[in-house]
Amino acid sequence: AQSVTQPDIHITVSEGASLELRCNYSYGATPYLFWYVQSPGQGLQLLLKYFSGDTLVQGIKGFEAEFKRSQSSFNLRKPSVHWSDAAEYFCAVGAGNNDMRFGAGTRLTVKP
Amino acid sequence: DVKVTQSSRYLVKRTGEKVFLECVQDMDHENMFWYRQDPGLGLRLIYFSYDVKMKEKGDIPEGYSVSREKKERFSLILESASTNQTSMYLCASSWAAEAFFGQGTRLTVV
Repeated sequence: AQSVTQPDIHITVSEGASLELRCNYSYGATPYLFWYVQSPGQGLQLLLKYFSGDTLVQGIKGFEAEFKRSQSSFNLRKPSVHWSDAAEYFCAVGAGNNDMRFGAGTRLTVKP
Repeated sequence: DVKVTQSSRYLVKRTGEKVFLECVQDMDHENMFWYRQDPGLGLRLIYFSYDVKMKEKGDIPEGYSVSREKKERFSLILESASTNQTSMYLCASSWAAEAFFGQGTRLTVV
């Protein structure tokens, strides 16, 4: 089965600074890849997804992610972080409609 | 917009009780999922269903069962609640490999 590793449990960045959240996956074929965000007490909201094609995908709220097959990575980036971006971020890998696996999550704190 | 609704945001139950967590989606999705979310462990798949009356075990099905009698409704059942089932439970439905989540149910078993 596929699996996901998010190496960073907690990241703190200053408001206005750039952000990169790391995600590595394990899967034998071309995966479906996702980033979700969860604000406190809320469900998960999809930020962006990669199925095929252009390896740089744009998402909502100014986020982007790049699929690198050679590194089995799908890192999330944002050029300038806002205080409202403080949340928990989950990377996920899917192998079709019925099987999605999530990473342990990265909690983002934004300093004023 | 897709809407996935979980019947309760917070529940407190006693050890040994039978607990039902309900989830309803309004987009006619065939696939529905139950996840459990714990700090440091992310989301772990308990069960999923790809059609009415069909179910598949996920990674941690022990102590849980599910029911899907209608396409829009997917229920998670804790047969005899235990304190180690205290957690956040998230329901999702999916279409074209994209999952849509409910708000979650925080269950406390005392």
